[in-house]
Formats: sequence, C-alpha cells, structure tokens
Amino acid sequence: DAMVIQNPRYQVTQFGKPVTLSCSQTLNHNVMYWYQQKSSQAPKLLFHYYDKDFNNEADTPDNFQSRRPNTSFCFLDIRSPGLGDAAMYLCATSRDHGKGSSYEQYFGPGTRLTVT
Amino acid sequence: LAKTTQPISMDSYEGQEVNITCSHNNIATNDYITWYQQFPSQGPRFIIQGYKTKVTNEVASLFIPADRKSSTLSLPRVSLSDTAVYYCLVPNNNDMRFGAGTRLTVKP
Repeated sequence: DAMVIQNPRYQVTQFGKPVTLSCSQTLNHNVMYWYQQKSSQAPKLLFHYYDKDFNNEADTPDNFQSRRPNTSFCFLDIRSPGLGDAAMYLCATSRDHGKGSSYEQYFGPGTRLTVT
Repeated sequence: LAKTTQPISMDSYEGQEVNITCSHNNIATNDYITWYQQFPSQGPRFIIQGYKTKVTNEVASLFIPADRKSSTLSLPRVSLSDTAVYYCLVPNNNDMRFGAGTRLTVKP
C-alpha cells in the first residue's frame, strides 16, 4: 500500500547533539511537510517542500533544517536540540499545494523525540 | 485572530450522532475545508473534505452553508473508538496551520 513512512518511531538524543529524522513516501506526491506536535497541542507546521522548493514558516527556529534529496525522501535536521524540542514530529504529503487545489494530506505515524 | 475556531471538547455517548462545528470567517474563495481525526501517538488521518453544500462518505458527513464561513462535521452513531481529536483545516492562502481541534470523548 502507498504510504508515508517515518523512521525511527522513537528517537532519543542528548542536549545539543544533532539529530536527523527521516520520512519517505510511496505516493509520489509533490508536497512534503514537517510538523512538530507537543503534548496536548495541535500540530505546528515547520516547513514544506513543493517539489524542490523549500518554504519555511516565519516562526520556525533556525535550529530546524530540512532536506529533500528526491521526490520520495525528506529529512528533518535539528542542529542543536534543546529540551524544548522534545515532541512528536510528523511528516505529511499532499498531491498539490496552492489556491483551488485539494489539500488532502497523508500523515506518517510520527517520530517521538526525547532530549536528555 | 484565529483562522479556525472549534469547541475545545465535546462529550457524547455510544450510538449518538455528533456534530462538531468549525468557524472559518476568513476562508478564501478557492479554499477547501478538510477534517482530520487524530488518535494519541498517531498522525492525523483524513476524514472528509468539501467545498460547499454537503459531502458524505462512509464515515462522516460535512455540511457547509452558502456563505462557507463555517462547516459542521457530522459523525453518525459514534462508538468508543471515535474518541479522538478532530481538526478542521482551512488553508487560507496556502497557510496549512492547524487550529486547536476538538477533543471528542465517547462514553459507554
């Protein structure tokens, strides 16, 4: 089945130690998103790629970076994780993105990041 | 000013119909309205999407009035497994931020 895959499901990192989360999709969708979700809060959009075009949210800290080497894969890099970065990180895809298009998003299961 | 407004929480009993309303006063002309369901420790899951009037699928109905400034998700005959957080998402010029969502608790 076509799907969105996130690895690992659980990640533990040390304060200040760089960490990379990965996402892959078999849907061949143009758009890939990264969201951060903290306990009892709604998902917060960090950034998205439309094909190779990177779109950063204005309030996303510089500590968060992303790479999309090809259509199928997208990575979230946290350069120096702080205790406040502990959260669930959700990857999502959609076929299109823009006025008038269907925005149905397909989400992966998430990676829960713990910072010690 | 919040883009979407939903009740923070709702309680229901098994077998009842549940209606969750979302206000989106600033919806743009071309925007679709999409509802997602999220269980603890899982990613949100698409439920239904609409542009105007009424949409129905195997799990829910979506009612959208003519002015499109609100929408109502209707879940027929809920069960315990429908306990989850429900989000309405209105892009509003490519802004894909989620609102606070509605936590639905279904009781036996």
